[in-house]
Amino acid sequence: QITLKESGPTLVKPTQTLTLTCSFSAFSLSTSGVGVGWIRQPPGKALECLAVIYWDDDERYRPSLRSRLSITKDTSKSQVVLTMTNMDPVDTATYYCVHTSGGNWPPFFDYWGQGTLVTVSS
Amino acid sequence: SYELTQPPSVSVSPGQTARITCSGHALPKQYAYWYQQKPGQAPLVVIYKDSERPSGIPERFSGSNSGTTVTLTISGVQAEDEADYHCQSADSSGNYVVFGGGTKLTVL
Repeated sequence: QITLKESGPTLVKPTQTLTLTCSFSAFSLSTSGVGVGWIRQPPGKALECLAVIYWDDDERYRPSLRSRLSITKDTSKSQVVLTMTNMDPVDTATYYCVHTSGGNWPPFFDYWGQGTLVTVSS
Repeated sequence: SYELTQPPSVSVSPGQTARITCSGHALPKQYAYWYQQKPGQAPLVVIYKDSERPSGIPERFSGSNSGTTVTLTISGVQAEDEADYHCQSADSSGNYVVFGGGTKLTVL
């Protein structure tokens, strides 16, 4: 059974860099069509897709946040890392790690991690 | 930037039919997906590629596309269907993923 689990800080200060790690199991990010991404949801607000990285190293980013985001993968460790610079209180949200497969476009996310709440505050 | 528009809330009585819409100018070109999210839980896809239903999702959930509007229909609504529903698609150039604002379904 596919599982994904987010890890990282629950509290960061404004201007700091957030680094989140997604550890997954039961699939490989080297399999054709597979992708792993990050979606966030501010409290009481809408979902936002931040970034997705695919088996072929293709990376897709939310345009409005592109300059602050970086997504990388370590296939051997079954991990994906999201880095977000210059954090602000408006970035307070639950951050989900998600799986997509099948090479569909747009992708849809059939497996989700439990999510991790990241609070930005001094 | 491209947006998908959903009504903030929809209310129905048990056994009735709930229809939740999602509008966007790129929907004729891009597939839409629907997610159900209950409090404290991660979203769960209930419709993919406009109208396909994943295994395990009850038949009362269906989806349709009529151009710039897609609709999630829940027939014979049950109390357990009370949740937030989010539509998802992509911009017309297919460059990035976009979600709607979400609709809170209340079962009266």
